[in-house]
Parts: sequence; structure tokens; C-alpha cells
Amino acid sequence: GAGVSQSPSNKVTEKGKDVELRCDPISGHTALYWYRQSLGQGLEFLIYFQGNSAPDKSGLPSDRFSAERTGGSVSTLTIQRTQQEDSAVYLCASSLVPLAGVEQFFGPGTRLTVL
Amino acid sequence: EDQVTQSPEALRLQEGESSSLNCSYTVSGLRGLFWYRQDPGKGPEFLFTLYSAGEEKEKERLKATLTKKESFLHITAPKPEDSATYLCAVQAASNTGKLIFGQGTTLQVKP
Repeated sequence: GAGVSQSPSNKVTEKGKDVELRCDPISGHTALYWYRQSLGQGLEFLIYFQGNSAPDKSGLPSDRFSAERTGGSVSTLTIQRTQQEDSAVYLCASSLVPLAGVEQFFGPGTRLTVL
Repeated sequence: EDQVTQSPEALRLQEGESSSLNCSYTVSGLRGLFWYRQDPGKGPEFLFTLYSAGEEKEKERLKATLTKKESFLHITAPKPEDSATYLCAVQAASNTGKLIFGQGTTLQVKP
């Protein structure tokens, strides 16, 4: 079946502009995660949606970052007033159930470049 | 603080030369240790989940093992197509969601 999909695959923007990144999880997966991978850095957790519960936003680096998940499926990560340090690959993952020890499946990522 | 450290950062092997990658972790209550493979320009691809010390899992030329403090990814007789970055991540009992990743080991296998 189809895996996790993300769009766009690449995004170049100017400093100060807002951007929206989209994630389509695997059909039927109830948990959705966003991570960020900066050059030379490991994957950094951003936010986690678990079914109908309140999301875990503990990894969002500033209030310029926000995310929503509509209808328990598609998710959008929004970065307002982008800064050069926001340049990174943004990865989305989903898992069948929001339980510990359940594997997460990743999408191909969106490469964001802020000029 | 939950933490994952992988070594070495980079590893070059000749085809057929077996070796091991290390993942050391400190976590307050391990719920799962995950190994992923990541090719350039792609998202991580799931390989294994280990849950408790003493557990082992195998897939083709890869074998993952787990102790109370570290995990090893053993690569037997590697081929050039095994070249990739291998990522280790842990999930803590205090948080059923996020994965905490190490920096990864970049493996290059030369023919």
C-alpha cells in the first residue's frame, strides 16, 4: 500500500515569509509525528498527534511553529516568519496506534531552504 | 535526560568485511529501541524494534542485539548496497510518542 507522503518535496522561501508543509499518513494510522533533521544534526522531535487527544507540542522550537491535523488524517506544519535557522528537512511519520514500542514509518521529507 | 549516542560516526568497509555499529543509550524506562536505515535524500526506513535486554532480531545480513545499556547492529559480509546511514532511536516509558535519535553512523561499503 501507499506509504507516508509529503509535499512539497522542496521549498525555497525568503526570510520572513510563512510556509506550510503537508503530510499524508498511511491510511488507518492513528498517530502522526513531525521531526526535523538539520545538516549535521540528528532527527529532532517536533510534535505528536495521537488520535483525538491533545497533541504533544513539547518539541516545537518556538511559537512561530504550529501544526494541525484535520479529520484524523492529513497534517499541516506551519512556520511563520521563517528564519535561516529553520532551514532543514522536515520529516513526517505515522504509526498504526499511539502505543510505545510501535514502529513509526517515515515519509520522504520536505527540504526547506530559507534564503 | 534521555540520550542516544552512536559510534562510530562513519565506517568504511570492504565488501565482505563484517563489522558492528554501536548505539549507547540512557533512558528512563525503555519502551523500545529502533534501528532505521536512511539513504541520501530519503526518509528513514524501519529495520528493527527491540524491547528488552537479550533480544535479537535478524534481517538478511543485519542482526540487532540489545543489552541494558547499548544495542549493536552487526553487519555480516556487507555488500555495496548496504551503504547508508544507520540511525538508532529510543522510546521512553515517560513518553509513548516521540523517538529520541542518535546522530547516526554513515556506512560505506566498497566493492
